[in-house]
Amino acid sequence: GENVEQHPSTLSVQEGDSAVIKCTYSDSASNYFPWYKQELGKGPQLIIDIRSNVGEKKDQRIAVTLNKTAKHFSLHITETQPEDSAVYFCAASKGGSYIPTFGRGTSLIVHP
Amino acid sequence: KAGVTQTPRYLIKTRGQQVTLSCSPISGHRSVSWYQQTPGQGLQFLFEYFSETQRNKGNFPGRFSGRQFSNSRSEMNVSTLELGDSALYLCASSLDRESGTQYFGPGTRLTVL
Repeated sequence: GENVEQHPSTLSVQEGDSAVIKCTYSDSASNYFPWYKQELGKGPQLIIDIRSNVGEKKDQRIAVTLNKTAKHFSLHITETQPEDSAVYFCAASKGGSYIPTFGRGTSLIVHP
Repeated sequence: KAGVTQTPRYLIKTRGQQVTLSCSPISGHRSVSWYQQTPGQGLQFLFEYFSETQRNKGNFPGRFSGRQFSNSRSEMNVSTLELGDSALYLCASSLDRESGTQYFGPGTRLTVL
């Protein structure tokens, strides 16, 4: 089955810096890659997603890039703010059932 | 539009008991999936329901079961609770089975003593 590796497990940055989280997947048939943000005591919130026919997608300070050949995708957050502090999860899924496989999560800490 | 709601938010049970968790998807969404989240295993898929039928099942023992009603609301049941069942149980809804976009509820925190 699909295997998703996510790095780093913890990321500490200063406010205003950029943060990058990377994920690799194993199943070349995967074609949908969402990213979720989970704050303490809450469920994961979808923040951005990308499909395999697109190489990059941007939404304000957040961007995601996908390299199908290398089977990896990354989340980029620019101008980080303290409220960006949370656990971020990547996931990969393929057509049909679209049951995603999740990475283990990255704890992002933004210091004011 | 209201988000995914889950009840109860917190639950404490003892070993051997059973528990039922409830999920109401976003209005108009027909697919509901359940996940177990623990610090050690991360987010693990339990099962998916669409049109009142279980479409996919994860690698969990038969003590874990679920169902979906005609209004798309879903319940999951865990029988003969074990200490290792302590976790955050998350429900996610999707408009259909093709889009792949899932929206999560706040979860039910289950503690088994």
